[in-house]
Amino acid sequence: GESVGLHLPTLSVQEGDNSIINCAYSNSASDYFIWYKQESGKGPQFIIDIRSNMDKRQGQRVTVLLNKTVKHLSLQIAATQPGDSAVYFCAEIYGNKLVFGAGTILRVKS
Amino acid sequence: NAGVTQTPKFQVLKTGQSMTLQCAQDMNHEYMSWYRQDPGMGLRLIHYSVGAGITDQGEVPNGYNVSRSTTEDFPLRLLSAAPSQTSVYFCASSQSQGHQPQHFGDGTRLSIL
Repeated sequence: GESVGLHLPTLSVQEGDNSIINCAYSNSASDYFIWYKQESGKGPQFIIDIRSNMDKRQGQRVTVLLNKTVKHLSLQIAATQPGDSAVYFCAEIYGNKLVFGAGTILRVKS
Repeated sequence: NAGVTQTPKFQVLKTGQSMTLQCAQDMNHEYMSWYRQDPGMGLRLIHYSVGAGITDQGEVPNGYNVSRSTTEDFPLRLLSAAPSQTSVYFCASSQSQGHQPQHFGDGTRLSIL
């Protein structure tokens, strides 16, 4: 199929804790994955990407893990801050199309 | 550097009216695309273009037309608006058609009465 889905629609975390947002993808031919952050009233903003020949990639406070065996993608945010509150989308690219999952709302409690 | 600019930001139409949503990017990107986002859902691809003069259909192309006469501009046309087209529309661009993160505009919120 051509679907990308998320396990948890809403995630609430305490400020300073680590956050983990999960995503399942269904197209085994997908070879590039992206995480986006979307704040209210704005367009999606690129966070981090990973290619299928990698299983981990780190950025500033964020890490993406890719498990191709079970077709699972996760985004880890270290020391979550109030500014991290947003909707997070995973997306996959196969061919020349970018397909998005439904999104996870991340709420950070102070 | 303006990035991806969408106009208008908000629009209300009556059923049957036509309208063009504008999208412009100043990054000399070859690849541009249009998405719609409905409440509680991810973005769905409407149409995309891999370069000037080339367009193709995405997941939900019905009721929409696009053209790409220049690298910078990629307008989206609603031929005869329907209430089912009420949504937030996002335009995006990237350097090439694949394996590149796309840059998004801030969206056009469209309501069809």
